[in-house]
Amino acid sequence: DTAVSQTPKYLVTQMGNDKSIKCEQNLGHDTMYWYKQDSKKFLKIMFSYNNKELIINETVPNRFSPKSPDKAHLNLHINSLELGDSAVYFCASSLRTFKNIQYFGAGTRLSVL
Amino acid sequence: DQQVKQNSPSLSVQEGRISILNCDYTNSMFDYFLWYKKYPAEGPTFLISISSIKDKNEDGRFTVFLNKSAKHLSLHIVPSQPGDSAVYFCAASSNSGNTPLVFGKGTRLSVIA
Repeated sequence: DTAVSQTPKYLVTQMGNDKSIKCEQNLGHDTMYWYKQDSKKFLKIMFSYNNKELIINETVPNRFSPKSPDKAHLNLHINSLELGDSAVYFCASSLRTFKNIQYFGAGTRLSVL
Repeated sequence: DQQVKQNSPSLSVQEGRISILNCDYTNSMFDYFLWYKKYPAEGPTFLISISSIKDKNEDGRFTVFLNKSAKHLSLHIVPSQPGDSAVYFCAASSNSGNTPLVFGKGTRLSVIA
């Protein structure tokens, strides 16, 4: 059973399109995260949600909008995709915020052409 | 501005020998440190952590050492096994681990049989 699952695994799209990445965790965790790993390999936090409420938004453009319909899901919607959005996006979850061990999904590789 | 630095992008070690992965940080507010391991096409998985009140934490073959005055930590793997071949990320947090994790760029470890 996959603890944190993301779909799709790969996403290739044109500039200007809108796309979504879904994330689900079956660990019963309260907190979920989105991270971006760019071409320089840094893994940087984008958003953090605790019990469906946004608690961190790390200077991410407004084109990125997370949506948490319940505490087991945190989806990422991206409008008007740009070349610089090409990266690997990881979803993660933890029992509570930050201090607890984070469990990561396998990642979604987004390529914007 | 890299607050967490892993200056060695790669490391090769013979099976059975010790692997030492290094990590330096610049933010003196960091007080909680973690190592994550990542296999290709998978998300990072938690390996071991250490709080700044300790200078060593051990879990089986894995030991993390923290030198606060030097703002340096290291992960020792003894003995190294081929299955340890992966990318290792160092991460840090402040406020007793209650702030977002800041990751280094990772070190790719290859354990040669």
